[in-house]
Amino acid sequence: GENVEQHPSTLSVQEGDSAVIKCTYSDSASNYFPWYKQELGKRPQLIIDIRSNVGEKKDQRIAVTLNKTAKHFSLHITETQPEDSAVYFCAASLSNTGNQFYFGTGTSLTVIP
Amino acid sequence: GAVVSQHPSWVICKSGTSVKIECRSLDFQATTMFWYRQFPKQSLMLMATSNEGSKATYEQGVEKDKFLINHASLTLSTLTVTSAHPEDSSFYICSAYTSGKNNEQFFGPGTRLTVL
Repeated sequence: GENVEQHPSTLSVQEGDSAVIKCTYSDSASNYFPWYKQELGKRPQLIIDIRSNVGEKKDQRIAVTLNKTAKHFSLHITETQPEDSAVYFCAASLSNTGNQFYFGTGTSLTVIP
Repeated sequence: GAVVSQHPSWVICKSGTSVKIECRSLDFQATTMFWYRQFPKQSLMLMATSNEGSKATYEQGVEKDKFLINHASLTLSTLTVTSAHPEDSSFYICSAYTSGKNNEQFFGPGTRLTVL
């Protein structure tokens, strides 16, 4: 099955700085890569996603890049704000197997005011 | 919209009892629902994939007789933790998927199970 690794597990940045979280996946058939933000005790919320036919996608302060050859994708948050503090999960989806999502291990981001 | 609810939000039970958790898609029909388990400060671990009208597909290492899944309709899936034990204490989250929602999964708010 798919194996998704995520780094770092914890990340602290000063407010206004950028944060980068990286994920790798094992199955080259994966073609959909969402990123979720989860606050303590709450449901994961989709913040951005990317498909395998695109190399980069941006939505305001958030961007995701994908390198299919290397099988890795990254989340970039610019101009970080305290409310960005949360746990972030990447995931990979094998579209030919019922769209199961396999999640990375998560990154706890703390933005220091 | 794309709202998914779970019930109950928190349940405390004695060891040996069974607990049923409901997952509902409130404003769309979900062809597929997924059940995840999340331990504190850990990732979401996919337990099973549930398709309406068919048997659930369980991930490796997940006991199908322990975690019974029934997907009775396009808006309801249930997870029953049978003969629960303290090690089953966890946060259980469902998600619902339909092809008409851009491949996105919509997560429920989760159910916190505490087994005494």
